[in-house]
Amino acid sequence: NAGVTQTPKFRILKIGQSMTLQCTQDMNHNYMYWYRQDPGMGLKLIYYSVGAGITDKGEVPNGYNVSRSTTEDFPLRLELAAPSQTSVYFCASSYRGLAGEILVQYFGPGTRLTVT
Amino acid sequence: DAKTTQPPSMDCAEGRAANLPCNHSTISGNEYVYWYRQIHSQGPQYIIHGLKNNETNEMASLIITEDRKSSTLILPHATLRDTAVYYCIVRVEALWNTDKLIFGTGTRLQVFP
Repeated sequence: NAGVTQTPKFRILKIGQSMTLQCTQDMNHNYMYWYRQDPGMGLKLIYYSVGAGITDKGEVPNGYNVSRSTTEDFPLRLELAAPSQTSVYFCASSYRGLAGEILVQYFGPGTRLTVT
Repeated sequence: DAKTTQPPSMDCAEGRAANLPCNHSTISGNEYVYWYRQIHSQGPQYIIHGLKNNETNEMASLIITEDRKSSTLILPHATLRDTAVYYCIVRVEALWNTDKLIFGTGTRLQVFP
C-alpha cells in the first residue's frame, strides 16, 4: 500500500491563478480530510468527506472547494489564489466501520504552495 | 471545542524517558485524547489515544489523570529520531461521526546525544 499520496509536492502560483491539489488513498478509507499548516502553527481543517458525494466544511473553508466522486480521490480546488493561501497542505484519510471504532488519521506527505 | 495547552519546547537526552505534558481542563466526559507527532515537515503521525485509562503501545505510553484534566505522553527510551513536534489533541466529533482534530502549536521535543 502506498497509503496517502499527494501531488504536486511543490507549486508556485501567481495571484488570481487557480489549481487543484490531488490526494489519493489506497486503503479503502471512507473518511478523507484536507488541512493547511502555516509556518510555526498547527494544522487547520479545511474540508472533510465521509464518503463519495458527501463533503462538509472544516475550520477554514473560504477560498477552497472540494469534491469526492470516488472513495480513493479527494481533490482540493483553489480558485483565485491569494497570498494568504501560501501554506503546506496535508491530505489525510481514516476508516470507521460499523462498530464505530476510533479513527486514526493517516496523513500524506504534503504539498507546499506559494502564492506570489 | 476542548482546547489543549502544551509547553512550546522540551529537551531530552538520548536513551532517557521523555515526558510530554498536556493540559485539557475543559475536556468532556466522552472526549478522547489523541497524540500525534510531526517529524520535520512530514505529515503528522498517529502515536496513541486514550479516554480515561492509561494506555501503552509499541511507541509510547499515555497517562491520564483521574479527573482527566491533564495527560502525559511518555517515550520510554527517546532516540534522535524522536525529535519532532508532538501534538496533544482532544477529539471533537464532527458531523457523520467523523473526527475534527483541533491542532494546537504542540511541543517541540529535541532529543540530544
